[in-house]
Amino acid sequence: SQKIEQNSEALNIQEGKTATLTCNYTNYSPAYLQWYRQDPGRGPVFLLLIRENEKEKRKERLKVTFDTTLKQSLFHITASQPADSATYLCALSTGNQFYFGTGTSLTVIP
Amino acid sequence: DAGITQSPRHKVTETGTPVTLRCHQTENHRYMYWYRQDPGHGLRLIHYSYGVKDTDKGEVSDGYSVSRSKTEDFLLTLESATSSQTSVYFCASADSDRPYEQYFGPGTRLTVT
Repeated sequence: SQKIEQNSEALNIQEGKTATLTCNYTNYSPAYLQWYRQDPGRGPVFLLLIRENEKEKRKERLKVTFDTTLKQSLFHITASQPADSATYLCALSTGNQFYFGTGTSLTVIP
Repeated sequence: DAGITQSPRHKVTETGTPVTLRCHQTENHRYMYWYRQDPGHGLRLIHYSYGVKDTDKGEVSDGYSVSRSKTEDFLLTLESATSSQTSVYFCASADSDRPYEQYFGPGTRLTVT
């Protein structure tokens, strides 16, 4: 199975700055990589998906990169806002299996 | 939440009793999934379904069974609950055109004493 590592430490950044979260994986490269947001006491919310043959994907203030050589994905939130404070989960999928990281807690300080 | 509900939202049960959790979606999504989430672990896939009466095992399926008799409902049963099954359980669904974009329910917090 896959092992996924996300920043274990919480990330605190100042409002307006760019937050960068890291997702590293071992073993085989997944066909798809997703990022989700999870707020306390709630289910994850889908944000972005990137395929193995894509290098970068953007959606509004969000950007995801996928480097299959480094076995790493970076998730960027530009012009961060306090409302972006949440835990962000990385998920990898190939075929019928899905593997999630433990998440990185992001706090945007006003 | 893509019209996904879970019931009950909270449950306390005793070791050895059977427990059934229900997931209901109104999006007509073909794919449905059950996960558990525990501290120090990411979400772990228990079982999934690609259609009515079409289910298969995920990474941590031991001690769990599922059934899907209607597109909108996916049931998770703990045949004989153990303390190690104390967890938060999430259901998710996805459209067959976008199977990797999952929409999650609000979760069920299950405590086995």
